[in-house]
Amino acid sequence: DSGVTQTPKHLITATGQRVTLRCSPRSGDLSVYWYQQSLDQGLQFLIQYYNGEERAKGNILERFSAQQFPDLHSELNLSSLELGDSALYFCASSPPGYYLPGELFFGEGSRLTVL
Amino acid sequence: AQSVTQPDIHITVSEGASLELRCNYSYGATPYLFWYVQSPGQGLQLLLKYFSGDTLVQGIKGFEAEFKRSQSSFNLRKPSVHWSDAAEYFCAVGVSDYGGATNKLIFGTGTLLAVQP
Repeated sequence: DSGVTQTPKHLITATGQRVTLRCSPRSGDLSVYWYQQSLDQGLQFLIQYYNGEERAKGNILERFSAQQFPDLHSELNLSSLELGDSALYFCASSPPGYYLPGELFFGEGSRLTVL
Repeated sequence: AQSVTQPDIHITVSEGASLELRCNYSYGATPYLFWYVQSPGQGLQLLLKYFSGDTLVQGIKGFEAEFKRSQSSFNLRKPSVHWSDAAEYFCAVGVSDYGGATNKLIFGTGTLLAVQP
């Protein structure tokens, strides 16, 4: 158990819909990262938040957005869903004060299926 | 641009045999390198990491990896594979913005390891 909690574990929805994925980082971690894992794209970095502020952006679509709340949990919002958005979405966290790429602690992921 | 290549998509080894998983990276500065393992239905778990110093690093579960700057490689090895090692293995390079405490991992496409009894 990494200490990172993601909900829901599984989600099935239809094209055009909107979903929200939730992540609670490990106690004390300030950074939250979102990754998308799909068969054709592999593991892709989406976005990083540090103590409520966006710090880095990767291959995140405009239809997707994220935020980190004062209690440090994070939500990834996916809207106008398309079939290609079906993937496993991972959240990860890392300890505070890291100025070098350090170890990330991954949750078990949220598997999104768009029908 | 930073990238990681894992040339072997799928590898099958017999239990008790040795294992080497290949990883090549492309990064302009000193690389920070990682190996993660993903068991079915699980998240990714860190096996080992290289930041600096000794180029042979030891990790959990009996794994080790050797950093070779001249070959831009960071291959993962294990002398004797156990059936429980069957999983997908990801090599990653860490990218950092020192001024902003921004960091992320760029992953390879993974190598799926099957272990035969």
